[in-house]
Amino acid sequence: NAGVTQTPKFQVLKTGQSMTLQCAQDMNHNSMYWYRQDPGMGLRLIYYSASEGTTDKGEVPNGYNVSRLNKREFSLRLESAAPSQTSVYFCASSDRERMAETQYFGPGTRLLVL
Amino acid sequence: AQSVAQPEDQVNVAEGNPLTVKCTYSVSGNPYLFWYVQYPNRGLQFLLKYITGDNLVKGSYGFEAEFNKSQTSFHLKKPSALVSDSALYFCAVRYNFNKFYFGSGTKLNVKP
Repeated sequence: NAGVTQTPKFQVLKTGQSMTLQCAQDMNHNSMYWYRQDPGMGLRLIYYSASEGTTDKGEVPNGYNVSRLNKREFSLRLESAAPSQTSVYFCASSDRERMAETQYFGPGTRLLVL
Repeated sequence: AQSVAQPEDQVNVAEGNPLTVKCTYSVSGNPYLFWYVQYPNRGLQFLLKYITGDNLVKGSYGFEAEFNKSQTSFHLKKPSALVSDSALYFCAVRYNFNKFYFGSGTKLNVKP
């Protein structure tokens, strides 16, 4: 099993450009998450999807949209990138939407917005 | 306000010595508490979690954590540190499905 995979690994954008970060998991998990990691701030939840067909906002959803394409895939879209969105983005998945469920993380996407 | 605090940006310990990485939280209700580890250029890996029951939780790679409700703490411990334990450690608390807060991380340096 590859676990959670993310593409691309690294991306440079200019302000105003758009892009989609891709995430896929092969563990047959129901729930998927997008986080951003900034220095000194830990991880912050952007959006999550409890199950296929549902998405909900996390702590910092502004400037992002998500799509739960199917059970395996959960994409994050930046419609008009801003320098404040320079960060490392992590996708995660968990078996079920239970409070105590362990999350499994992908390797991350480093995004630089100039 | 709900929050998680890791008061030390960095912890230095000699190999073979015990280590402690501190975490305190502030949430209403009964939180679910987690520790994750991050190696350079990698995603986070689960170490252990507290849900309910015994206050001492054992996890992967010989790590354990002690839940203290009165002090609202969930410190990570290991009796004997290894150089390979050097990494970034995150404490996290979850008190709702869309409320999953991570601390700012503590860099653990284990020196030979």
